[in-house]
Amino acid sequence: AQTVTQSQPEMSVQEAETVTLSCTYDTSESDYYLFWYKQPPSRQMILVIRQEAYKQQNATENRFSVNFQKAAKSFSLKISDSQLGDAAMYFCASNYGGSQGNLIFGKGTKLSVKP
Amino acid sequence: NAGVTQTPKFRILKIGQSMTLQCAQDMNHNYMYWYRQDPGMGLKLIYYSVGAGITDKGEVPNGYNVSRSTTEDFPLRLELAAPSQTSVYFCASSKTGYEQYFGPGTRLTVT
Repeated sequence: AQTVTQSQPEMSVQEAETVTLSCTYDTSESDYYLFWYKQPPSRQMILVIRQEAYKQQNATENRFSVNFQKAAKSFSLKISDSQLGDAAMYFCASNYGGSQGNLIFGKGTKLSVKP
Repeated sequence: NAGVTQTPKFRILKIGQSMTLQCAQDMNHNYMYWYRQDPGMGLKLIYYSVGAGITDKGEVPNGYNVSRSTTEDFPLRLELAAPSQTSVYFCASSKTGYEQYFGPGTRLTVT
């Protein structure tokens, strides 16, 4: 079975500092995508960043970047210059090729940002 | 573009009642999905559709039904509501079947 694991239920970071959220996954597929979604208190699921498994280069979106270690099946999210608006639940998810777009989600990490 | 819209935002049902959760998207996406999110958990797939007239079961389909008569709309039907269906329901759509965009969710309570 395909799985996505987030081992940090909660994390905290000081405003303007950097924080890294961890994610590991397990699949035998060769074609897949990995995502980080943000869920603020409003409940809206917001796509933060995505990584195609066939790309070696780590994805970056402004202050958000990933460390994709394919052999280790690891996909961590780094948030630089943390802002109060970054406080939210963060979900790691994977979409495995051939599954018609079924996203498998981790249980999430709750990020708090201290002023 | 409104993106993915869902109605209602909140609903309370009594055990045994039925209802339909509405979902619409204006991005001309072929792929649409219904997920549920239970407290402290990630999302789990209920049903999905790869185009008008085509639907298939996800991980947790029991107690639900769907239809897809148009590209834009993908309603989720709950028959004989049970307390186990208390959850937050999300609709999503995708152009490629990979990157998905979510609606704002519907919080459903069954008592």
